[in-house]
Amino acid sequence: SSELTQDPTVSVTLGQTVRITCQGDSLRSYYASWYQQKPGQAPELVIYGKNNRPSGIPDRFSGSSSGNTASLTITGTQAEDEADYYCNSWDSSGNHRVFGTGTKVTVL
Amino acid sequence: EVQLVESGGGLVQPGGSLRLSCAASGFTFRSYDMHWVRQATGKGLEWVAGIGTAGDTFSPDSVKGRFTISRENAKNSLYLQMNSLRAGDTAVYYCARGVHGYIWGSPWGAFDIWGQGTMVTVSS
Repeated sequence: SSELTQDPTVSVTLGQTVRITCQGDSLRSYYASWYQQKPGQAPELVIYGKNNRPSGIPDRFSGSSSGNTASLTITGTQAEDEADYYCNSWDSSGNHRVFGTGTKVTVL
Repeated sequence: EVQLVESGGGLVQPGGSLRLSCAASGFTFRSYDMHWVRQATGKGLEWVAGIGTAGDTFSPDSVKGRFTISRENAKNSLYLQMNSLRAGDTAVYYCARGVHGYIWGSPWGAFDIWGQGTMVTVSS
């Protein structure tokens, strides 16, 4: 079972803001990274570290962390942001990587 | 262009073996950690194994003793040897490049480049 928990589904109205959360004890010690995955495609890194975006990722994606919770926020959500989102970090032992359970974002 | 291309997937019977390969190009392969991540149809992502630049390896209990990750820097290649395969190992297997660092003393890590995946089906 995953040590990182995410809400299974989230809906957001086009142009509005959505926050996706990832909870786990290991997040008190390690930063999370976030991945977007569209149907039939490989995952793509969107946020890493404290709040860093790889080249080409729009600045409407941002990350934050507090206590045992990491968050991915999409500000001004676009239709193309509809996808599955996964967080990733280390487990509580610090030796193994673990993915969150995933959140499906639907844009209304 | 930075690229990862997996190969070696296919249909295998339960208890069988398969070796996946991942060809890297466009970056200094030996300088990066590398990982395998899998995804069963309709399911989430699962980290399968990782290997550091010094050849140190890590894997979860679900595959430990059955799967072996290795790398051949001279060939810019990553491998995953899978033995004693089970139906539950059926998934798309991705190779991914690992990056990591520290921010204010707290470590961060990420998989910044992904291959397109190769399908492994374990069935009789």
